[in-house]
Amino acid sequence: KQEVTQIPAALSVPEGENLVLNCSFTDSAIYNLQWFRQDPGKGLTSLLLIQSSQREQTSGRLNASLDKSSGRSTLYIAASQPGDSATYLCAVRYRNQGAQKLVFGQGTRLTINP
Amino acid sequence: ETGVTQSPTHLIKTRGQQVTLRCSSQSGHNTVSWYQQALGQGPQFIFQYYREEENGRGNFPPRFSGLQFPNYSSELNVNALELDDSALYLCASSPEPSTYEQYFGPGTRLTVT
Repeated sequence: KQEVTQIPAALSVPEGENLVLNCSFTDSAIYNLQWFRQDPGKGLTSLLLIQSSQREQTSGRLNASLDKSSGRSTLYIAASQPGDSATYLCAVRYRNQGAQKLVFGQGTRLTINP
Repeated sequence: ETGVTQSPTHLIKTRGQQVTLRCSSQSGHNTVSWYQQALGQGPQFIFQYYREEENGRGNFPPRFSGLQFPNYSSELNVNALELDDSALYLCASSPEPSTYEQYFGPGTRLTVT
């Protein structure tokens, strides 16, 4: 079964720290991988999309990497702020499940303490 | 540019009833996908509609059905509601069905009692 796993489930750090969120997937045959942010009870905000041919993508203080061979992606957040507190979800499009289907991890709930 | 909108925001239904959720896609997008997100879980793919046709379906029973209209808005219908159907239902639109980035709406919170 093709799955996506995110560890840890929850993370609490003081403001200003740099941090890394992890995502692993079970098959390297993917179209792309996408990172989302979700505030409590709200919809998803797309942060970064990495195509299978890319190694990383950057947007502001966020950097996402992709290593297909090891089935891993990381989301690096620099100089964390209290406003970064949210749940971060990783989602993969597996080739043999159809390009239309995003397979999500369970998310990492991030708390940045002032 | 108007983003993805969903209605209603919240809904409470009784077991066995039927419900219809609505989604308006972002301007210029012809593809709508629906996801179910149970509390504390990641979203799960229900199905996708492209140009008014179903274009892929996840592991959900037939009592979950959908429609897409000529203006690319969409409905999700759930018959014979069960307690486990309580979840946040998310709609996402994209310019094309294949590998394009999906843009999500705020969701509809469905509670089944």
